[in-house]
Amino acid sequence: KQEVTQIPAALSVPEGENLVLNCSFTDSAIYNLQWFRQDPGKGLTSLLLIQSSQREQTSGRLNASLDKSSGRSTLYIAASQPGDSATYLCAVGNDYKLSFGAGTTVTVRA
Amino acid sequence: KAGVTQTPRYLIKTRGQQVTLSCSPISGHRSVSWYQQTPGQGLQFLFEYFSETQRNKGNFPGRFSGRQFSNSRSEMNVSTLELGDSALYLCASSREVSSYNSPLHFGNGTRLTVT
Repeated sequence: KQEVTQIPAALSVPEGENLVLNCSFTDSAIYNLQWFRQDPGKGLTSLLLIQSSQREQTSGRLNASLDKSSGRSTLYIAASQPGDSATYLCAVGNDYKLSFGAGTTVTVRA
Repeated sequence: KAGVTQTPRYLIKTRGQQVTLSCSPISGHRSVSWYQQTPGQGLQFLFEYFSETQRNKGNFPGRFSGRQFSNSRSEMNVSTLELGDSALYLCASSREVSSYNSPLHFGNGTRLTVT
């Protein structure tokens, strides 16, 4: 069974600092890894999808890397802003479904 | 373009009752999947439908069921509600038959409270 872990559970940084969010998974036989953002009381917004054959994906200030062999992914958010405050979840696609981590709740202080 | 629409947004039910939740996917999306989100268990996969066929199912009891209509709209039903069924139920749609391998678009969820 795929286990997805996100550490830390919460993170607070001052505005302008770069954010580094970690995700690890136990089964490396994955199709892809996705990063999502969830605002309080809302659904999830897809940020980046990395296929298993890729090493990284970039979108604006966001960059996600994938190391399948070690079972790790990292999401980098450059020059954080208060609007980046949210819970970030990673999800691994394997065994015909997505398995989610518990998320990292980020607070960016103005 | 309208996003994924889930109705109702909030529901309060009593133990033993049943409930039906509705999801309308983005126009043109034929895959709909359902997830349960709780503080203790996080997000857990319930089931996935494509072209009215259930393609995959998570590890939930038979009290949880779903279906998809010809217009891709989907419903999920929970019978004989238990206190532990209190959760945010999220629906997601995608273009691809394999929702786990394509960007997912989530609705804002239905918050179910069982008393």
